[in-house]
Amino acid sequence: SAVISQKPSRDICQRGTSLTIQCQVDSQVTMMFWYRQQPGQSLTLIATANQGSEATYESGFVIDKFPISRPNLTFSTLTVSNLSPEDSSIYLCSVGGAVYTEAFFGQGTRLTVV
Amino acid sequence: KQEVTQIPAALSVPEGENLVLNCSFTDSAIYNLQWFRQDPGKGLTSLLLIQSSQREQTSGRLNASLDKSSGRSTLYIAASQPGDSATYLCAVRGFQKLVFGTGTRLLVSP
Repeated sequence: SAVISQKPSRDICQRGTSLTIQCQVDSQVTMMFWYRQQPGQSLTLIATANQGSEATYESGFVIDKFPISRPNLTFSTLTVSNLSPEDSSIYLCSVGGAVYTEAFFGQGTRLTVV
Repeated sequence: KQEVTQIPAALSVPEGENLVLNCSFTDSAIYNLQWFRQDPGKGLTSLLLIQSSQREQTSGRLNASLDKSSGRSTLYIAASQPGDSATYLCAVRGFQKLVFGTGTRLLVSP
């Protein structure tokens, strides 16, 4: 299994600012995934982050709004830019890249935009 | 496009009851199905992973079954406890991507 540390666990941010979320894994992994969970909703994949290449974004998510870094095989960051109240959600990182392997999640970051 | 539905959306039971949570999916071309538990405002904890070639998996009081051809999975929780109160999510994996269900919010009262 993988242990994922995600920071911060929660934050309250002003409209128009940005928040960067960090995700650290205790082992090297090929792919890391970022999800958003809006209030009362299930999880939606934002993007897949591979080390050394550009992240692959899902339909409806763009790099300018959700820039992702993946500097090595154990770490990734997700930035949520130009915050609006609609960005208030839980953001989660996940690992488990191969199709037959179990997925593991971080503790989540609860973002509230005021 | 894969769609995953969970029934019921919410469930309230007294402690000690055995219960079944349901998950259905529209595209049977999956690699595996995973059940998670989520406590309020927190991340996901993996409970059980069933590969597409398997029929069921067990862990303690939990048993998950998979009928890929009919697009269904069930999570059986035996002798429920107040500590089981949480939201339970199922997710199916197609090529590279996990698709999540809508979740079942479970409350077990003492």
